[in-house]
Amino acid sequence: QVQLQESGPGLVKPSETLSLTCSVSGGSITYYYWSWIRQSPGKGLEYIGYIYYNGSTNYNPSLKSRVTISMDTSKTHFSLRLTSVTAADTAVYYCARTSVGYTFSYWGQGARVTVSS
Amino acid sequence: DIQLTQSPSFVSASVGDRVTITCRASQDISKWLAWYQQKPGRAPDLLIYAASYLQSGVPSRFSGTGSGTDFTLTISSLQPEDFATYFCQQANTLPLTFGGGTKVE
Repeated sequence: QVQLQESGPGLVKPSETLSLTCSVSGGSITYYYWSWIRQSPGKGLEYIGYIYYNGSTNYNPSLKSRVTISMDTSKTHFSLRLTSVTAADTAVYYCARTSVGYTFSYWGQGARVTVSS
Repeated sequence: DIQLTQSPSFVSASVGDRVTITCRASQDISKWLAWYQQKPGRAPDLLIYAASYLQSGVPSRFSGTGSGTDFTLTISSLQPEDFATYFCQQANTLPLTFGGGTKVE
């Protein structure tokens, strides 16, 4: 059974960089789209982007200038970097894996990140 | 971006009721719509993919229909564990987008 687990700081200061890691266990990281999605009361669920197992990426245009998603060479985890954060980036951040096409069948439990000084 | 409009935003229902939630896309997404259930403090769980295919392990009281721009999620007989928020997601066009949610209470 595939399991995903987010980790990273729960508090980030404005203008700094948010960094989260998603650890993958119970399955190969080969194939599928490995994604980040966030959820806030104001904006609901928002797709941030994905990294494919071959390293190709796609980012939401609304965040593209600030987002980087990468995968480690051992392919056991992938990461999210979001630069120049503001209070609007306060959210629960989920990592997720697709199954059929761009449908998300596996999710992490979520990491709550607050942007505040 | 493709906008997804869910209705209603809230449903007041009782155990045993038939519940129907709709999701309308701002443009044709063929069959590429998914439905998720989310309970407080938890990640969404996939219920339906490709508009009408039941995810493994999901009870058969859940069903999905539709294509193009109009989609429906139906719970045939609401159970106590079904009180939750439901989201649709279009899986046809990047960036992927989600509906605003329907809370069943």
